[in-house]
Amino acid sequence: DVKVTQSSRYLVKRTGEKVFLECVQDMDHENMFWYRQDPGLGLRLIYFSYDVKMKEKGDIPEGYSVSREKKERFSLILESASTNQTSMYLCASSSDRTNQPQHFGDGTRLSIL
Amino acid sequence: AQSVAQPEDQVNVAEGNPLTVKCTYSVSGNPYLFWYVQYPNRGLQFLLKYITGDNLVKGSYGFEAEFNKSQTSFHLKKPSALVSDSALYFCAVRDPRGGGSNYKLTFGKGTLLTVNP
Repeated sequence: DVKVTQSSRYLVKRTGEKVFLECVQDMDHENMFWYRQDPGLGLRLIYFSYDVKMKEKGDIPEGYSVSREKKERFSLILESASTNQTSMYLCASSSDRTNQPQHFGDGTRLSIL
Repeated sequence: AQSVAQPEDQVNVAEGNPLTVKCTYSVSGNPYLFWYVQYPNRGLQFLLKYITGDNLVKGSYGFEAEFNKSQTSFHLKKPSALVSDSALYFCAVRDPRGGGSNYKLTFGKGTLLTVNP
């Protein structure tokens, strides 16, 4: 069974801090994704990566960066956290085959005070 | 650009009654379509997918979905709802052409299903 693990379920940080969210998958998937989920807005793609050291901007990349140094790990970085980045963050992974679903972690609920 | 619409923010049904959660899509060519369910404080769980073939797709927990190309719809259905089916449901579409940004899914805004005892 695919396992996508996000390092924290709940996180509280202060405005201006640099925040790291970590995600690890155990299925040797090529593709990894970061989304944020807000009430009434659904899931919005922040960044994704289809290979090690490769990244592409999603729909809302502003204020975020990512790192993928190893195939199993995909990190989301909030360079200088702001209160409007308070949200639920979801990581997902998928294989290289487009007919396969994405598999999600349980999410990190991030609060920026 | 691909898009997904879930026209109902909320659906309420009585336990034992059939349920339908609606989804329409827009994509170039033949779509790959997915349904996910999210329980409170959890990530999304994959329910079922349509890739090709039979228009009626069966998935987990007794759910099924019907693909209708002429109406560009992919509605989620279950013959008899359970209280435990109460959750947030997301429809998603992917461009079937591989490579680069085509790996990403476009999600609808979600439909909150409440099944009343």
